[in-house]
Amino acid sequence: ETGVTQTPRHLVMGMTNKKSLKCEQHLGHNAMYWYKQSAKKPLELMFVYSLEERVENNSVPSRFSPECPNSSHLFLHLHTLQPEDSALYLCASSLERSYEQYFGPGTRLTVT
Amino acid sequence: TQLLEQSPQFLSIQEGENLTVYCNSSSVFSSLQWYRQEPGEGPVLLVTVVTGGEVKKLKRLTFQFGDARKDSSLHITAAQPGDTGLYLCAGETSGSRLTFGEGTQLTVNP
Repeated sequence: ETGVTQTPRHLVMGMTNKKSLKCEQHLGHNAMYWYKQSAKKPLELMFVYSLEERVENNSVPSRFSPECPNSSHLFLHLHTLQPEDSALYLCASSLERSYEQYFGPGTRLTVT
Repeated sequence: TQLLEQSPQFLSIQEGENLTVYCNSSSVFSSLQWYRQEPGEGPVLLVTVVTGGEVKKLKRLTFQFGDARKDSSLHITAAQPGDTGLYLCAGETSGSRLTFGEGTQLTVNP
């Protein structure tokens, strides 16, 4: 397996559910990112991890909780989400912070 | 807040036509990247430009970074249906932060 993979590709969850998104990169990168992509809006950076340490948290609500157990894996734990959280959630990685990011295919999340 | 404005937002053309999309900002960027995103997929990096005035070519795609490193353009020659997608520019600022534009949705009709 190469590149950046994300699972699941599609997720429908109720507002009271707890779920997790998974991202795995096979590129030997040391920085990983979570982005939110909504219709007609620029990609919104949510979290940045560099060398497994969270270095950026862009005022994201606490119902989103990231976890980076090692440099190859990144999780986004979700609980008590709102319908407006429905979006495409993209994971990316890079060799250095921000430089030439490589994206996964995304998880299409629908909150009902 | 650094903002990147892309224009046009939507572009629908016939196969074989040429087109240019623009990415503009009032901020100076240390580098600028162009991505293409197809439906159901994540953005794929096309090119990175670093030097003011730099021009890079990728087959039928020509990328230019403005002299002042505040803007960029992407020109496609003889567009093909396979060029259809959302084109995103992203500027890198101090602090190693990437700011993305809203994108240009290109449709090339056969």
